[in-house]
Amino acid sequence: GAGVSQSPSNKVTEKGKDVELRCDPISGHTALYWYRQSLGQGLEFLIYFQGNSAPDKSGLPSDRFSAERTGGSVSTLTIQRTQQEDSAVYLCASSKGGGTSSYEQYFGPGTRLTVT
Amino acid sequence: AQSVTQLGSHVSVSEGALVLLRCNYSSSVPPYLFWYVQYPNQGLQLLLKYTSAATLVKGINGFEAEFKKSETSFHLTKPSAHMSDAAEYFCAVGGNEKLTFGTGTRLTIIP
Repeated sequence: GAGVSQSPSNKVTEKGKDVELRCDPISGHTALYWYRQSLGQGLEFLIYFQGNSAPDKSGLPSDRFSAERTGGSVSTLTIQRTQQEDSAVYLCASSKGGGTSSYEQYFGPGTRLTVT
Repeated sequence: AQSVTQLGSHVSVSEGALVLLRCNYSSSVPPYLFWYVQYPNQGLQLLLKYTSAATLVKGINGFEAEFKKSETSFHLTKPSAHMSDAAEYFCAVGGNEKLTFGTGTRLTIIP
């Protein structure tokens, strides 16, 4: 079946503009995760959804970042008033959720965001 | 809080040589430990996992890892490196429904 897909694959935006990043998880996966991968920083957890609810949004770096998930499927990560330090690869992952299944995550190819 | 530390941001080995990528964990409870691999311009792929069953865990592509509680380690090994193993490898610990990743080790294979 289809894996996790993300769009766009690349996004270049000017400082101060808003951007939306989209994630389509694997069908039937109830859990969805957003991570940020910056050069030399590894993967940084941003937010986790179980269904349409976000039990853990502790990794969102500021109130400029928000995310939603609708229909237990597609998720959108929105960054308002982008700054240069937001430049990174944003990765989405999904899992079957519940217990150790939460940790067997399937990743999308990522969206590379460049803020100029 | 749980965390993992990967020693060595870059590792180079000759084709056919042993691959050893190091990971140490910190956890107050028995950990769930994982290795993920990221090939260029791709997302991460699960290599193997430890979930408190056998301490020696076998994964895909000939990789394996051994959980050593006394050393708080979960090092990744492969007996004979192949050119296709060139990638970035991430160790991770699971807790509170999410993964915490190390900073990654980039593996280069020398022909």
